Amino acid sequence: DQQVKQNSPSLSVQEGRISILNCDYTNSMFDYFLWYKKYPAEGPTFLISISSIKDKNEDGRFTVFLNKSAKHLSLHIVPSQPGDSAVYFCAARSGNTPLVFGKGTRLSVIA
Amino acid sequence: DVKVTQSSRYLVKRTGEKVFLECVQDMDHENMFWYRQDPGLGLRLIYFSYDVKMKEKGDIPEGYSVSREKKERFSLILESASTNQTSMYLCASSFPTDGISYEQYFGPGTRLTVT
Repeated sequence: DQQVKQNSPSLSVQEGRISILNCDYTNSMFDYFLWYKKYPAEGPTFLISISSIKDKNEDGRFTVFLNKSAKHLSLHIVPSQPGDSAVYFCAARSGNTPLVFGKGTRLSVIA
Repeated sequence: DVKVTQSSRYLVKRTGEKVFLECVQDMDHENMFWYRQDPGLGLRLIYFSYDVKMKEKGDIPEGYSVSREKKERFSLILESASTNQTSMYLCASSFPTDGISYEQYFGPGTRLTVT
């Protein structure tokens, strides 16, 4: 049973436009959510996170929104750049349990 | 800067061989994790450890074992490698939950091919 779902395997966006990556979860006990970015042949790197007590967290071009009632979070990248092309993983946890990851969304930013 | 290193970037082994994947972190993290990444399947947790000599099964532990003799080192062992264990293996580490940070730091990965 998949607790963290990223329903879009891929997304293409024009350079300079907004990229929106979506993530849904089923476990209402999750209290912390993270986004990781992964380039080929490298390990994932942490991008941004949000606690369940917040509904928005912003860091430069990256903003994460959390809608607890809908069990949905999204990552917005504005403006998108070619270097943002990567696979993005949504992850969640409750307490000190290991992170649960989604299957990832491959973002392609076209120049 | 946190550093998680893995012993090999690329590895080719034969079916039936015993395979050791080593992971070392330099941040004195208590928690360490092994994942595998496969196309379309995301990151799946194999084993994790919250302390020296301690280990817990993740979602897909079959065919694997682990060893944590020292805090900084977490080894993944494939007792008898099979072709369906061809994958990218990722090690990660973190501090225990402290109400502030839940970030896991990942190593660069080991691309294992079993022929």
